[in-house]
Amino acid sequence: GNSVTQMEGPVTLSEEAFLTINCTYTATGYPSLFWYVQYPGEGLQLLLKATKADDKGSNKGFEATYRKETTSFHLEKGSVQVSDSAVYFCALRSETSGSRLTFGEGTQLTVNP
Amino acid sequence: GAVVSQHPSWVICKSGTSVKIECRSLDFQATTMFWYRQFPKQSLMLMATSNEGSKATYEQGVEKDKFLINHASLTLSTLTVTSAHPEDSSFYICSARGQGLVSGANVLTFGAGSRLTVL
Repeated sequence: GNSVTQMEGPVTLSEEAFLTINCTYTATGYPSLFWYVQYPGEGLQLLLKATKADDKGSNKGFEATYRKETTSFHLEKGSVQVSDSAVYFCALRSETSGSRLTFGEGTQLTVNP
Repeated sequence: GAVVSQHPSWVICKSGTSVKIECRSLDFQATTMFWYRQFPKQSLMLMATSNEGSKATYEQGVEKDKFLINHASLTLSTLTVTSAHPEDSSFYICSARGQGLVSGANVLTFGAGSRLTVL
């Protein structure tokens, strides 16, 4: 079946540090890949996505590249801000699952000033 | 934009009682609702999928008599945890798929979640 494995958290960084949150997946075919972010007290929000191999999703300074050869979709940001503190979820949607998403465990990011 | 309002955000109940969690879609019609459960430091696990006006489809291992899902309208879906026990304590999240009333675009939006603690 489908699965998503995320880098274990929590992750604590200083402002302006470089961020990487690893995400690898197992799925048949060509899934779509997503990163969601959950700020305290709010629902999950779509941060970025990629629908085919070598696509790069980007938003708010975050980027992730769909790497089929390594089955990865690592999230990166060159310079984090305090406001980026949140929980980040990697997720996939397979070709046969409709709108059903398979999520990773989530990674708590805390950015200190 | 499309918003899903989930209520309550936090509920504490006694063992044996039932708890209802509501999810309402604002500014869009939720044709499909997904209910997830999240254990501490674990991923969101899909419990069931419901289409408006139809019975919910439950994932393997989820007790449908325990977790009652109602999706009677395009703007409201409810999850009722019946005869709750401490092992039902968890974080429950709904997600709604539909079309925006203004944009007409497809949306998939999550509620903020409900933390259930059963004593």
